[in-house]
Amino acid sequence: DAKTTQPPSMDCAEGRAANLPCNHSTISGNEYVYWYRQIHSQGPQYIIHGLKNNETNEMASLIITEDRKSSTLILPHATLRDTAVYYCIVRVAGLIKAAGNKLTFGGGTRVLVKP
Amino acid sequence: NAGVTQTPKFRVLKTGQSMTLLCAQDMNHEYMYWYRQDPGMGLRLIHYSVGEGTTAKGEVPDGYNVSRLKKQNFLLGLESAAPSQTSVYFCASSYSHDTGELFFGEGSRLTVL
Repeated sequence: DAKTTQPPSMDCAEGRAANLPCNHSTISGNEYVYWYRQIHSQGPQYIIHGLKNNETNEMASLIITEDRKSSTLILPHATLRDTAVYYCIVRVAGLIKAAGNKLTFGGGTRVLVKP
Repeated sequence: NAGVTQTPKFRVLKTGQSMTLLCAQDMNHEYMYWYRQDPGMGLRLIHYSVGEGTTAKGEVPDGYNVSRLKKQNFLLGLESAAPSQTSVYFCASSYSHDTGELFFGEGSRLTVL
């Protein structure tokens, strides 16, 4: 799976949009971009994923550049409860069953939402 | 649905002791995983299972054994605990091998003295 690079930390103001960047310059055509977050002392939580089109759900939006070498997770109106570590993960699609569904978590971005 | 439940949530062991962590999921998921997370680091895959009765090694399998006798349960065992195994352990499950959406438990914090 392609390696991802994220800033180690960032702050954002409550009520404002939080834009979390991720670089995955070695991504292959069959690799998805996934985002997870981990609130302190809890298990990781799936947020969103995409292949090449922008995606939106009730939690966030995912913007993937046209060359797919980077992406941005957008939390439209950050709240204090969004304070967490956010992981950007690249994963190969179409895995065989025996390969399981393994995800490689890097260091992530520690996001602090301030009042 | 309870989702993914891990027991125990906290445990302190002495070096050389053995223990088993239990992961139970009520979503009828085929795939289950054990990860460990050391302070300030991301998760690393220990072992995983692609179905009842099957197990496979992940990134850091040494010192651990696993069993999947029932579809809903995935057990992680430490036969002879070492201080290097002090960590937070997370279990996860997924309904398909071709989805990156994993459902995680709340974690089990293990300290080995």
